[in-house]
This record gives sequence, structure tokens and C-alpha cells, in this order.
Amino acid sequence: QIQLVQSGPELKKPGESVKISCKASGYTFTDYAMHWVKQAPGKGLKWMGWINTYTGKPTYADDFKGRFVFSLEASASTANLQISNLKNEDTATYFCARDYPYVMDAWGQGASVTVSS
Amino acid sequence: DVVLTQTPPTLSATIGQSVSISCRSSQSLLDSDGDTYLNWLLQRPGQSPQLLIYSVSNLESGVPNRFSGSGSETDFTLKISGVEAEDLGVYYCMQATHALWTFGGGTKLELK
Repeated sequence: QIQLVQSGPELKKPGESVKISCKASGYTFTDYAMHWVKQAPGKGLKWMGWINTYTGKPTYADDFKGRFVFSLEASASTANLQISNLKNEDTATYFCARDYPYVMDAWGQGASVTVSS
Repeated sequence: DVVLTQTPPTLSATIGQSVSISCRSSQSLLDSDGDTYLNWLLQRPGQSPQLLIYSVSNLESGVPNRFSGSGSETDFTLKISGVEAEDLGVYYCMQATHALWTFGGGTKLELK
């Protein structure tokens, strides 16, 4: 069955970087785009953007341009999210989700990132 | 960006009660291909979101038929006909018609 398995929790200091992975299984990775969604503690879902898993081209929502990078390890069926120069407001759970298309039909379990000095 | 406004933000219901959640869009969600990419998701406490309904009214496989969706253009509704305990959590609408996808603010369904 379709599975998206994300990397474990991270504790970082302000100014550091973090890389979150999302490993897909149960389908052909390059046939479906991958989205990233942020959920701050106690808050709603916020769409960050998506990456075309066939071409590697990323698209970012306005609030996630600059410090956020989507990338792929297609041979490993893995999508990555890297956040640089971490700020306290980056503390959140980050989800990857498959684009069916036009709908996120499968979700990872979420990866927690805590930024604290 | 398209703004999705969900009401109410919180909904209290008893088991067996029917409830509705509204989602209003700042722009039409009718795509040039004729489809309307408005979806509904449920996030149970401590879990990842899961897809309930796609393209306004299509039930995702495995989702009970007490869930139904309706609407067009800018006004959409999710209805639960007979709330069950497993339905508690936060419901989100989201649009995929416009290039930059967006979520509604969420509606928390709790037991009265």
C-alpha cells in the first residue's frame, strides 16, 4: 500500500539548518508530485508548495521563498525539505503529501522541528 | 492568493446529530477544465490529515457515506449525517484549482 515515511523529530538552535526526508513506497515515485505542509503548534495547516518529482522543479508559496528548499533523491523515492537559518517561528510539524493530482491523497506521519536556544 | 473561510470555527455535536460546515472562497474554484478542485480533510487528534472528499462531492475510498459534500463556484458545504465518536477532530477545506493551493482555517468538531 502507499506509504510516506518521514524522518524523526529534530531539535535545533536559531540560525542552524535542518533537512527533513519523506520516503515513498507502494507506487512509482516519479508519477506523482509531492507537497509540503506546515502546522505550527495548535494551529491550522499551511501549504508550503510542491515539487515535480519527474523534473525536480519546485514551486514555493510566497511565505516560503528564500530559506526553504525542496529537493529529491529520486533513486531512493525520497523527497526532502531543507530549512536554513532557522527561526523560532519555524517550530512546527511538517508533512509531506502526495498529489493524486489536485488532491493530497496520502500523507506522511509528520516531522517535528523545534527551534530553541 | 485564494482565501478560504470556514464557519463555524468550532462545532459541538451529540452522537447521531447531523452537522454542516461551510467553506467560502474569495475566488471561484471552477477550473477552466470544468472541474472544481475543492477538497475536505479530517485531522483527528495527534494524527496526520486524511482525505474525505475530493472535487466537491466525491467520497474518498473507505470514507463512510454519512459524509457528503456539495457546492459550486465559491460556496461549499460538508455535511455529516449522524455524527459518530470517530468523527471528532478538525475539518479543513482546501482548494487546488489555483496554482497556489490554500487551506481553510479549520473547524473543530467536538462532543457536546
